[in-house]
Amino acid sequence: GESVGLHLPTLSVQEGDNSIINCAYSNSASDYFIWYKQESGKGPQFIIDIRSNMDKRQGQRVTVLLNKTVKHLSLQIAATQPGDSAVYFCACPCPGGGADGLTFGKGTHLIIQP
Amino acid sequence: KAGVTQTPRYLIKTRGQQVTLSCSPISGHRSVSWYQQTPGQGLQFLFEYFSETQRNKGNFPGRFSGRQFSNSRSEMNVSTLELGDSALYLCASMDAGLTDTQYFGPGTRLTVL
Repeated sequence: GESVGLHLPTLSVQEGDNSIINCAYSNSASDYFIWYKQESGKGPQFIIDIRSNMDKRQGQRVTVLLNKTVKHLSLQIAATQPGDSAVYFCACPCPGGGADGLTFGKGTHLIIQP
Repeated sequence: KAGVTQTPRYLIKTRGQQVTLSCSPISGHRSVSWYQQTPGQGLQFLFEYFSETQRNKGNFPGRFSGRQFSNSRSEMNVSTLELGDSALYLCASMDAGLTDTQYFGPGTRLTVL
């Protein structure tokens, strides 16, 4: 079964608003998580990662929050811009995920409305 | 540093044929992983090569194979192509262990007719 998954297939936000994309994982032994952004016609692009010894990590306009108690992580994008329009994936080298590479969620398509 | 490059970018084949895709990792990266991306199944791990050896393998049939050269460049091969093999094939490189960041190439879009 799936070891990491996203809550919503599509998220529509107004330009300038903050976006929050959620992801859940099933194995409490998972200790490293990555968020990728994939634009149309391109490969996934690394955004930010977090290890299980942290609850929060910030980058440029992005923040990842990790709640190990409920096995949930989220990607927050501040002041969403048109260039943020893409599909966002959470991923982990999840133990027991059925393979030894990265296991990806299905992806959330972020749509920016003007 | 230059990013991960993949060739060709687009490929059209017919059922029963075989295909070879190429990936050049970021300079200095010794690990190369391959993934298949389809609308139905999403991103799925195929295999990983490290220092010319297959280190990990996903749940794909033996028609899917790969190799890595001494310069870390990698190729993957799909034999006896099926319609369901139509997908975006992505290559990712990283420096060492699995908990290091994987950087993806633009992918090769394979269409099987």
